[in-house]
Amino acid sequence: NAGVTQTPKFQVLKTGQSMTLQCAQDMNHEYMSWYRQDPGMGLRLIHYSVGAGITDQGEVPNGYNVSRSTTEDFPLRLLSAAPSQTSVYFCASSRGKRNRETQYFGPGTRLLVL
Amino acid sequence: DAKTTQPTSMDCAEGRAANLPCNHSTISGNEYVYWYRQIHSQGPQYIIHGLKNNETNEMASLIITEDRKSSTLILPQATLRDTAVYYCIVRAFDQTGANNLFFGTGTRLTVIP
Repeated sequence: NAGVTQTPKFQVLKTGQSMTLQCAQDMNHEYMSWYRQDPGMGLRLIHYSVGAGITDQGEVPNGYNVSRSTTEDFPLRLLSAAPSQTSVYFCASSRGKRNRETQYFGPGTRLLVL
Repeated sequence: DAKTTQPTSMDCAEGRAANLPCNHSTISGNEYVYWYRQIHSQGPQYIIHGLKNNETNEMASLIITEDRKSSTLILPQATLRDTAVYYCIVRAFDQTGANNLFFGTGTRLTVIP
């Protein structure tokens, strides 16, 4: 298993540009989520999904959209990038319903918005 | 979910046990204690979790006080590769399956040669 994969590893955007951060997992996990981590801070939850076709907002959802059309993929869209969205983005997944399960995190995408 | 308090940083000599404390005085009866760690620039890694009994796995031990208001993560023989930020997270079981984690700023553990 590849686990949780994220692409790209690093991205530079100009203010106002749009992009999609990709996240995929091959463990047939029901639960997937996106976090952002700013320097010196812990991770903050952006959006999450408990299964295909189901998404919900986390702590800091503004400026981000998600969809979950398949179990494997959970892309994060920035519609109009802002410098405040400069951060490291982590995707995570776990088996759903029994949410004492371990979460597996991807390697992260480092985003710089100029 | 209950709030946790952890020291900002700690040092530990290589080969010694590292004891990382966490206070969670407002924990509810149905809330679990989780520990994750984040090695520089990588995604967080699960270590261990428990409800009220002490737990041990191949990575660490988790000691939860009888009143459950605090816990200690023990790395029995710290190595340089254990240098990381350690997060203590308290959360309840969610019937919807939303396995959301709320991270604080954690404890930065530095293992010294």
